[in-house]
Amino acid sequence: DAKTTQPPSMDCAEGRAANLPCNHSTISGNEYVYWYRQIHSQGPQYIIHGLKNNETNEMASLIITEDRKSSTLILPHATLRDTAVYYCIVRSNAGKSTFGDGTTLTVKP
Amino acid sequence: DAGVIQSPRHEVTEMGQEVTLRCKPISGHNSLFWYRQTMMRGLELLIYFNNNVPIDDSGMPEDRFSAKMPNASFSTLKIQPSEPRDSAVYFCASSLEATNEKLFFGSGTQLSVL
Repeated sequence: DAKTTQPPSMDCAEGRAANLPCNHSTISGNEYVYWYRQIHSQGPQYIIHGLKNNETNEMASLIITEDRKSSTLILPHATLRDTAVYYCIVRSNAGKSTFGDGTTLTVKP
Repeated sequence: DAGVIQSPRHEVTEMGQEVTLRCKPISGHNSLFWYRQTMMRGLELLIYFNNNVPIDDSGMPEDRFSAKMPNASFSTLKIQPSEPRDSAVYFCASSLEATNEKLFFGSGTQLSVL
């Protein structure tokens, strides 16, 4: 599985955009990038995924660089409820989804 | 849909006892995953099934751990005998297929082995 690298923590002001980076330099051509978040001790929650094109849904936007070696998750207007651990993972064709340490995002009032 | 259902939510047991964790995946999902989460090791994939068949169990820590999926709507993770170092939150997740499909996680089972 391609490994991912994320900063351990980030802060964001409430109402501002939160931009969470992820490096996945060993990603293969047919592997997707997925983002999940985990609030407190709940199960991780799916946010968004993409292959090569930028994606947007009701929760967030995903920007993938042209070489696919990195991506950025954007929460356009962060709220206090967005405080969570955010995981960037690469889903292998073998089916395994390996979670790293993620980024702890703290949204401050 | 009720989502992925895990039981029990909390389990406290004594070292040496057998522990069985249960999971009901989302109806229609063909793949099921068992994860374990601890502060030290984060989220670890233990095993996953596709169409009720175990595909990869390389994450199962040792022979004390076993998992079964007798049908498409039920899976168990068993620890026998349990040890204090097995204390963790165990998550079950399901997806439509094993590859390139989003995972839906259950609420987890908090296991404490005394």
